[in-house]
Amino acid sequence: GAVVSQHPSWVICKSGTSVKIECRSLDFQATTMFWYRQFPKQSLMLMATSNEGSKATYEQGVEKDKFLINHASLTLSTLTVTSAHPEDSSFYICSAVSGTSGNYNEQFFGPGTRLTVL
Amino acid sequence: TQLLEQSPQFLSIQEGENLTVYCNSSSVFSSLQWYRQEPGEGPVLLVTVVTGGEVKKLKRLTFQFGDARKDSSLHITAAQPGDTGLYLCAGRDYKLSFGAGTTVTVRA
Repeated sequence: GAVVSQHPSWVICKSGTSVKIECRSLDFQATTMFWYRQFPKQSLMLMATSNEGSKATYEQGVEKDKFLINHASLTLSTLTVTSAHPEDSSFYICSAVSGTSGNYNEQFFGPGTRLTVL
Repeated sequence: TQLLEQSPQFLSIQEGENLTVYCNSSSVFSSLQWYRQEPGEGPVLLVTVVTGGEVKKLKRLTFQFGDARKDSSLHITAAQPGDTGLYLCAGRDYKLSFGAGTTVTVRA
């Protein structure tokens, strides 16, 4: 089956620093990747849609200058949390849609990255 | 405001009992999905329902999509401790919108 990986699986950083999270589709090409954020005991909230070779589309209320998304290849999207603050501490999850299937119902999720900002 | 309302929020039952989780919305979706998520992991797709009135069975799990494609239910028969987890419904229009989730705990 299709596998999506994330790196790192967890990260602790100091307030004011930037953190980069990688999302990779391991055995398929993903023209579209999604970034979600999940706070404890809450559901997944879509942050942005990342399309290969173009600018990401951000959901309302998500600061594009704070959450930088780059989708430079068909297998890799990165999310950079800039000038992180404790309120950015969360579980960040990516998902990918296979470019060949074109079926958006086939959305494969990564294992998530736990970010803790001190 | 959550587009999809799930109920109950928490459910704790004894092994062998049955349970039903509901997912309701005022919006019509082209499809609806159910996921299960373990702590510290990403959600795993259980099923996708597309047609109004559709019923899908996955071993002890039965999924139903409402006739109007606005609501869905997940029924687990003879629950086992391995069924413990966060169950999320997600509706698709131009994007996937998740419900708040139902935390299911099955006690041995």
